[in-house]
Amino acid sequence: TQLTQSPSSLSASVGDRVTITCRASQGISNYLAWYQQKPGKAPRLLIYSASTLQSGVPSRFSGSGSGTDFTLTISSLQPEDFATYYCQQLNSYTYIFGQGTKLEIK
Amino acid sequence: EERLVESGGGLIQPGASLRLSCAASGFSISSDEMNWVRQAPGKGLEWISYISSGGSAIYYADSVKGRFTISRDNAKNLLYLQMNSLRGEDTAVYYCARVEWAFDLWGQGTMVTVSS
Repeated sequence: TQLTQSPSSLSASVGDRVTITCRASQGISNYLAWYQQKPGKAPRLLIYSASTLQSGVPSRFSGSGSGTDFTLTISSLQPEDFATYYCQQLNSYTYIFGQGTKLEIK
Repeated sequence: EERLVESGGGLIQPGASLRLSCAASGFSISSDEMNWVRQAPGKGLEWISYISSGGSAIYYADSVKGRFTISRDNAKNLLYLQMNSLRGEDTAVYYCARVEWAFDLWGQGTMVTVSS
């Protein structure tokens, strides 16, 4: 299964609503996670099972989708949200990641 | 506090071998499924290997199959990655990560540079 994220990069302002899309090459039910990574740091789990918010993650992050099409939404961008975001499939034991979406300040 | 700490990275020549370790603290890995993920400089995340809690199920990405070996010592709370026949394209930060519903706990990473 391959994962394709779009867009690859995105410029936005504080307070904007942002949506990142992840498309799987075959159906993966809801076995999808989203991660945030800042430069020089390990990834941080945001969302698992497509829509379940990881403990401690702000509620402005949300996930949706099932099958092949998934979205990560940030309802109101905060300065600390500018980072790179990755989706990942956990439907099989080859835990492929998407290529990443770099979210930059406009 | 639950933590994973990788070690063993460094500068290594092409064709050589290296073993990475991942030490868990604050919890026992004996019931956890574990993985290695790497990230080449300026690139995205690449999953490279999985091992089940008891070590009976192991999977690898095609890019490392036949060259890398994942293993674990539950008694010592350690995860390993033996890397043989290293190539320039193996240069990356290597992370260990625990998986339950997703990769919920990551180490800080250890850098491996393959260069002559």
